[in-house]
Amino acid sequence: DAGITQSPRYKITETGRQVTLMCHQTWSHSYMFWYRQDLGHGLRLIYYSAAADITDKGEVPDGYVVSRSKTENFPLTLESATRSQTSVYFCASSRQGDNSPLHFGNGTRLTVT
Amino acid sequence: ILNVEQSPQSLHVQEGDSTNFTCSFPSSNFYALHWYRWETAKSPEALFVMTLNGDEKKKGRISATLNTKEGYSYLYIKGSQPEDSATYLCAFNTGANSKLTFGKGITLSVRP
Repeated sequence: DAGITQSPRYKITETGRQVTLMCHQTWSHSYMFWYRQDLGHGLRLIYYSAAADITDKGEVPDGYVVSRSKTENFPLTLESATRSQTSVYFCASSRQGDNSPLHFGNGTRLTVT
Repeated sequence: ILNVEQSPQSLHVQEGDSTNFTCSFPSSNFYALHWYRWETAKSPEALFVMTLNGDEKKKGRISATLNTKEGYSYLYIKGSQPEDSATYLCAFNTGANSKLTFGKGITLSVRP
């Protein structure tokens, strides 16, 4: 089915472990984004990508790494997970850098113990 | 860091009531203002993208207005229904890179 999918939906990991959250979209949208959602905060941008091989930091990038080798995939890696990274992570895409709306995945709930 | 403020934080209304929400954003370097609807256990879905001062957009019973000079947008829901219960997010960007800054959202609960 066309759309944007995230995997896994739920993940529990231990402090210090590396974990990768996957995001795949079938629309060939140029822009992709990673947001985290925490109680008391709005959606906060972690990283975004304007095209394959082009990525840039958002508001809260520390502790995260992204890559975009293919247009359709935008994985987010926590190199050494910390408890403060317990959150719900949303991937989103948009058609281009104009006023196209964002299309969100279903989210990944990550718990770091 | 840009500040996007939404008010009220939450709203409880009776079915049939009309409601309105406010989104405030910096009036300088305006590019676009987005509204999203976020139902529990789902992901946010776009309602409107607004770019021009004085813009008014409508989708069914939901409409929005935009004032870029003073930095605010209103979202109206006419005759609220229980299915309108959701969190409504506004987001703002200052350029063509789609890099949105979101407000914390307004949670609407409509009692039947």
